[in-house]
Amino acid sequence: SQQGEEDPQALSIQEGENATMNCSYKTSINNLQWYRQNSGRGLVHLILIRSNEREKHSGRLRVTLDTSKKSSSLLITASRAADTASYFCATRANNLFFGTGTRLTVIP
Amino acid sequence: DAGVIQSPRHEVTEMGQEVTLRCKPISGHNSLFWYRQTMMRGLELLIYFNNNVPIDDSGMPEDRFSAKMPNASFSTLKIQPSEPRDSAVYFCASSLWDRATDTQYFGPGTRLTVL
Repeated sequence: SQQGEEDPQALSIQEGENATMNCSYKTSINNLQWYRQNSGRGLVHLILIRSNEREKHSGRLRVTLDTSKKSSSLLITASRAADTASYFCATRANNLFFGTGTRLTVIP
Repeated sequence: DAGVIQSPRHEVTEMGQEVTLRCKPISGHNSLFWYRQTMMRGLELLIYFNNNVPIDDSGMPEDRFSAKMPNASFSTLKIQPSEPRDSAVYFCASSLWDRATDTQYFGPGTRLTVL
């Protein structure tokens, strides 16, 4: 299966701290995407990084991609209580495969 | 733009009943996806359509599940007969199929409970 796996499964931090989530996958990809899911809601796209890119920024988000290690990381800087959600990586080859998610809790 | 619209938002039914979930994709999008999310199995792709044509239904669990997309603005996912193990949140997503930027936009989901 190409499904990505996020690590850790759950993460709890204080507001203002940085949160780092990792994603590993198994096969070659065209791009990798990160999504956020608030409780009871659908997934919302955060950022996309192409296979020929190594790093990308969007606001407080920083994504890295290491295709040699088949891994990616999502860094959220200066976390806020509103960042509390589940975060999924999704890898794109022919289809888009979602990982198992990291549950982030930001404590005010 | 209203985003992806799903109905109903919640459905409670008894085992053996037919369930129909509905989805209206974002106008102009040419791809539509049906997912199922459970605690045990995470987010699973059931089927997706491109230009109203089913492309990959390998994720459909069994013959009790069927999906249609009669036009670019409407799709249904039907379960007949329903079973308790079908209880899950079902998401519809749409995208403008483009290998370079194929962001998927998700609807709010339908929470299905089969008693």
